[in-house]
Amino acid sequence: GEDVEQSLFLSVREGDSSVINCTYTDSSSTYLYWYKQEPGAGLQLLTYIFSNMDMKQDQRLTVLLNKKDKHLSLRIADTQTGDSAIYFCAERYQGGKLIFGQGTELSVKP
Amino acid sequence: EAGVTQFPSHSVIEKGQTVTLRCDPISGHDNLYWYRRVMGKEIKFLLHFVKESKQDESGMPNNRFLAERTGGTYSTLKVQPAELEDSGVYFCASSQIIDGELFFGEGSRLTVL
Repeated sequence: GEDVEQSLFLSVREGDSSVINCTYTDSSSTYLYWYKQEPGAGLQLLTYIFSNMDMKQDQRLTVLLNKKDKHLSLRIADTQTGDSAIYFCAERYQGGKLIFGQGTELSVKP
Repeated sequence: EAGVTQFPSHSVIEKGQTVTLRCDPISGHDNLYWYRRVMGKEIKFLLHFVKESKQDESGMPNNRFLAERTGGTYSTLKVQPAELEDSGVYFCASSQIIDGELFFGEGSRLTVL
């Protein structure tokens, strides 16, 4: 079935690294995504990874993909208070629709 | 260029009433999607239009929900009659091609009392 799982909360101190984890079910997904939702705002695409890649780095963001275990993670280096938001993992199904996880609320303490 | 716009941003109605949400996709985007997030749960797919045709409506919860996209431009999502469990944030997204990047609106928050 279609299922993406994430832990609900993560709290870190400013300057630390944050790691948000996600598991998914469809091994045929071609792309996996991380979206960010700040309070009162819409969904912003943060980064994505193609399914034949293991890792993608984009400035402070590192995405790791373990296709065998269907595990995706997002690491944010030097986490800032402005990174406080809800982070959604999503996989892309055939036909274009995204299946999202529940979202991980990241709280960054000064 | 304008992004995806949704209206209203917040609607409060009583159980049994009707609400219509509107989404204006990015101009030229044939693909339009509706999603919903209920009470801190996952964002769930509702349906997908390609131009004016419903490509996939497998996520529509029941027949109280009616989505239209006449002329293949903006879309409306009508809930009639609304129930308490329909409360949540309804997101609209559009893309130029079927596997292209999805651009999301800011969402319409629906509160049913």
